[in-house]
Amino acid sequence: EAQVTQNPRYLITVTGKKLTVTCSQNMNHEYMSWYRQDPGLGLRQIYYSMNVEVTDKGDVPEGYKVSRKEKRNFPLILESPSPNQTSLYFCASSFGRQGYTTQYFGPGTRLLVL
Amino acid sequence: TQLLEQSPQFLSIQEGENLTVYCNSSSVFSSLQWYRQEPGEGPVLLVTVVTGGEVKKLKRLTFQFGDARKDSSLHITAAQPGDTGLYLCIGAGGTSYGKLTFGQGTILTVHP
Repeated sequence: EAQVTQNPRYLITVTGKKLTVTCSQNMNHEYMSWYRQDPGLGLRQIYYSMNVEVTDKGDVPEGYKVSRKEKRNFPLILESPSPNQTSLYFCASSFGRQGYTTQYFGPGTRLLVL
Repeated sequence: TQLLEQSPQFLSIQEGENLTVYCNSSSVFSSLQWYRQEPGEGPVLLVTVVTGGEVKKLKRLTFQFGDARKDSSLHITAAQPGDTGLYLCIGAGGTSYGKLTFGQGTILTVHP
């Protein structure tokens, strides 16, 4: 089944404790992206990647890191999480390098930073 | 920074009513996508519009892309409770290559 998977689905952590949210897609998509969704602010793009070893900042990259060592995986790293990073995070992938085609979203990761 | 103004932000209507959601921008987009998101899930694509003036229909949903490719609308005819959800517009191919632009979302509630 074609899908985007994220782990974990729920995470409670404390300020400053490094964490990684994994994202994997099995559709051989070139474009992958991370978003956060907050009430009243909608979806905001954190980072995106148009190909392996190519990553670019979205609108809200501060406090986040990503890597794209393999086509299928695009982990999101919070080196030192802070409470303002409490949010619902989505990973997505799409065919083609510019993200113009259908975005397939993962199920989301709900993060709470205490 | 590109903006995609989506309105209204909230919409609460009775079953059978019609409604329209708008996404407007001063930027030109190569394509604009509409998604629907249910609680606890990721957004799912409804339609992509790519040509200025294009109109696409999906059962009771009608999507339109403005002639100048700067705005789009979603019209729902005879809304049903099953239409309840969050509707998002996403613009692609603006001034930033590879970067997507998001509307704020419209939370639609259709009461039986």
